[in-house]
Amino acid sequence: DTGVSQDPRHKITKRGQNVTFRCDPISEHNRLYWYRQTLGQGPEFLTYFQNEAQLEKSRLLSDRFSAERPKGSFSTLEIQRTEQGDSAMYLCASSPPGQEQETQYFGPGTRLLVL
Amino acid sequence: AQSVTQLGSHVSVSEGALVLLRCNYSSSVPPYLFWYVQYPNQGLQLLLKYTTGATLVKGINGFEAEFKKSETSFHLTKPSAHMSDAAEYFCAVGGGFKTIFGAGTRLFVKA
Repeated sequence: DTGVSQDPRHKITKRGQNVTFRCDPISEHNRLYWYRQTLGQGPEFLTYFQNEAQLEKSRLLSDRFSAERPKGSFSTLEIQRTEQGDSAMYLCASSPPGQEQETQYFGPGTRLLVL
Repeated sequence: AQSVTQLGSHVSVSEGALVLLRCNYSSSVPPYLFWYVQYPNQGLQLLLKYTTGATLVKGINGFEAEFKKSETSFHLTKPSAHMSDAAEYFCAVGGGFKTIFGAGTRLFVKA
């Protein structure tokens, strides 16, 4: 078990460009979460998948953000028309099937810088 | 609604001294409570969690936390700090699929 992986680890882009991040959860984990973390803050919940179904989206997830998990395995988070305020660390986490509050296992994150 | 308040954005202790990181929560339902640690440029790692049962929870690396319902607190302690404990610590409250994190406390350990 190699843990949650995220790609890329770092991304620098210009304002207005689109970016896509990938998250590979721990195998057999059916729950997947995306968070955003800005400097000096804790992670903020963005969205949650159970298998391929996106069950909840935060109001933080504006229309420029979209997340998918088409086959219930890896997930992608796309940001369209990036803005400087999108600069943050984007964290992915996964948890196994089971009780409501299973431990979430976090990936190393993708750090986005929008110039 | 749930929320978490971590008292003190920075805590500094000497190596070998007691570590105390404070966390207060608000929850309209019985809370699930967590402490995570984050080292620079890494994701979060679970230290310990409280779901039900014993209110004193022991975690990894010698950390423990006590759930006090009357005080709505879940403070993290370690009897003797080590240099390797220097990191950012996050308290979190969960219920259902959503976990709400505090703003974090950065722990500095002085030699």
